Amino acid sequence: AQKITQTQPGMFVQEKEAVTLDCTYDTSDPSYGLFWYKQPSSGEMIFLIYQGSYDQQNATEGRYSLNFQKARKSANLVISASQLGDSAMYFCAMRERGGNQFYFGTGTSLTVIP
Amino acid sequence: ETGVTQSPTHLIKTRGQQVTLRCSSQSGHNTVSWYQQALGQGPQFIFQYYREEENGRGNFPPRFSGLQFPNYSSELNVNALELDDSALYLCASSLRGSGAYNEQFFGPGTRLTVL
Repeated sequence: AQKITQTQPGMFVQEKEAVTLDCTYDTSDPSYGLFWYKQPSSGEMIFLIYQGSYDQQNATEGRYSLNFQKARKSANLVISASQLGDSAMYFCAMRERGGNQFYFGTGTSLTVIP
Repeated sequence: ETGVTQSPTHLIKTRGQQVTLRCSSQSGHNTVSWYQQALGQGPQFIFQYYREEENGRGNFPPRFSGLQFPNYSSELNVNALELDDSALYLCASSLRGSGAYNEQFFGPGTRLTVL
């Protein structure tokens, strides 16, 4: 089974609007971390936000927030007030406490329309 | 604070050749992980190095090997290159610690093309 599933290959959003990028995950480890990364066309992966499995509140970082629904095993990224510079690939990733590697999804390509 | 750097930026090789990619970790980080990202895919974990030893490996054949040096920089070596090895190779450094939070900082990547 896939550890991370991102079902939206591509998304479009109007500038200044909010957008939600979906991510579901699969793990039996009770302790894990969920991460979102942005990858512009240059290729570098830019860390956006982190959510720990024991965190009681949803994580927020500026215009980014993570809608964490543990029972549903989902960790959706919400970007508020979209900007043209938000156009990029977005990857959801997970690290289990019992492991070393990050598992990445296949990504969502976000295009912000002026 | 110096970020993660990788060299070279781009590389073109032919099938059967060998390649070495290099990574300098972020200042203060002691762990380096390597990922392969094929076009249109998410990064796939190759292996991780900690204290100069391999510390976890993904589903990659032995012709993918690596090294970590005392200054925590790292090399990824790929022997007998195949066409499917064409990808963006990402290096990520982190500070090993307990818990699930272990943020990785990625380098800009090396784009390898195998002809």
